[in-house]
Amino acid sequence: NAGVTQTPKFQVLKTGQSMTLQCAQDMNHEYMSWYRQDPGMGLRLIHYSVGAGITDQGEVPNGYNVSRSTTEDFPLRLLSAAPSQTSVYFCASSYSLVDRGIYEQYFGPGTRLTVT
Amino acid sequence: GIQVEQSPPDLILQEGANSTLRCNFSDSVNNLQWFHQNPWGQLINLFYIPSGTKQNGRLSATTVATERYSLLYISSSQTTDSGVYFCAVERRQGGKLIFGQGTELSVKP
Repeated sequence: NAGVTQTPKFQVLKTGQSMTLQCAQDMNHEYMSWYRQDPGMGLRLIHYSVGAGITDQGEVPNGYNVSRSTTEDFPLRLLSAAPSQTSVYFCASSYSLVDRGIYEQYFGPGTRLTVT
Repeated sequence: GIQVEQSPPDLILQEGANSTLRCNFSDSVNNLQWFHQNPWGQLINLFYIPSGTKQNGRLSATTVATERYSLLYISSSQTTDSGVYFCAVERRQGGKLIFGQGTELSVKP
């Protein structure tokens, strides 16, 4: 099992450009999520999905779009990059237990994004 | 939304010392997890512990859900324990795992 994979590892964008951060998992997990990590701010939830075709907003969704057409993939789209979106982005996945919520969450290695 | 507070924010230990990290949360939760982020940035799940006590080697965790806190114990610390420890909580049927700010641990040889 590759676990949770993310591409690219590093990316530099100019203000206004768009791009997609890729995330894939091979553990057949229903639940997937995207976080951003900024210095001194911990991890903040951007968007999450409890299954194919179902997505919802997290704590900081503005400027980001997601879709979930398959169980395996959960791409994050930046529509018009801004310097405030400079951050490290982590994708995660887990089983989602109906009566016990999100089970052990596995993280990808992260994507370091710089917007100039 | 739910507030998650971790203490202390920073901790420096000599190798071999023991430590206790605390996580307080402001509302009833469905689950609680502890993570370790190593100095290279990788996040590893340590415990899924909505209530009770679990142990894994030198690490153990206790969650008292009724009093809204969890503790992570590290015994006989090693330099490889260095990094940031996060707790994260999910409100009942919330679908959102919310992280605390973390405790940065540095273990000196």
